[in-house]
Amino acid sequence: AQSVTQLDSQVPVFEEAPVELRCNYSSSVSVYLFWYVQYPNQGLQLLLKYLSGSTLVKGINGFEAEFNKSQTSFHLRKPSVHISDTAEYFCAVTLYNQGGKLIFGQGTELSVKP
Amino acid sequence: SAVISQKPSRDICQRGTSLTIQCQVDSQVTMMFWYRQQPGQSLTLIATANQGSEATYESGFVIDKFPISRPNLTFSTLTVSNMSPEDSSIYLCSVVVQGNQETQYFGPGTRLLVL
Repeated sequence: AQSVTQLDSQVPVFEEAPVELRCNYSSSVSVYLFWYVQYPNQGLQLLLKYLSGSTLVKGINGFEAEFNKSQTSFHLRKPSVHISDTAEYFCAVTLYNQGGKLIFGQGTELSVKP
Repeated sequence: SAVISQKPSRDICQRGTSLTIQCQVDSQVTMMFWYRQQPGQSLTLIATANQGSEATYESGFVIDKFPISRPNLTFSTLTVSNMSPEDSSIYLCSVVVQGNQETQYFGPGTRLLVL
């Protein structure tokens, strides 16, 4: 069975510091990988996705992620965070032949402090 | 992407009653899904809403409790039946847009509190 593990449930950082949110997945077949962000009292917004090609993917709001097949990881990074980045971040995978069903990690709460 | 709206945005309901949540998309989509997000938790897929036929439910979810309709390509409803406080959650619909088969876009969610 496929699974997604987000290694940190909470990540507190100071404003303008770099941040990395970690995501590992388990799958015996190829996957597509996604990061979504959920701001307080809102739905999910797509940050970025990896489908194929370059393993370094750039998304919105200055975020990027790197797909590492050997380590089955898809960590999310930002070189300098803002207060407005405070939100819940979800890593998710879908399998090529699973009709688009998303499997989510447990989420990482990013808290940016002034 | 697509513009997705859900109604209602939130509701407070009494146990034993039912609530129907609507999901409307502004463009043609190939697939629609319904997810549940329990308080402080991640998202769990309830079912795939199939146009003109019965929805495909995930393990742990049944049609009697969560009947779903999808009469056309851009609209779906999810009913939470015979509610209990354990049904208090955020319910989100998501869609896969034509020409962008690999990516799901989410609606704003419906926040349900059952007393």
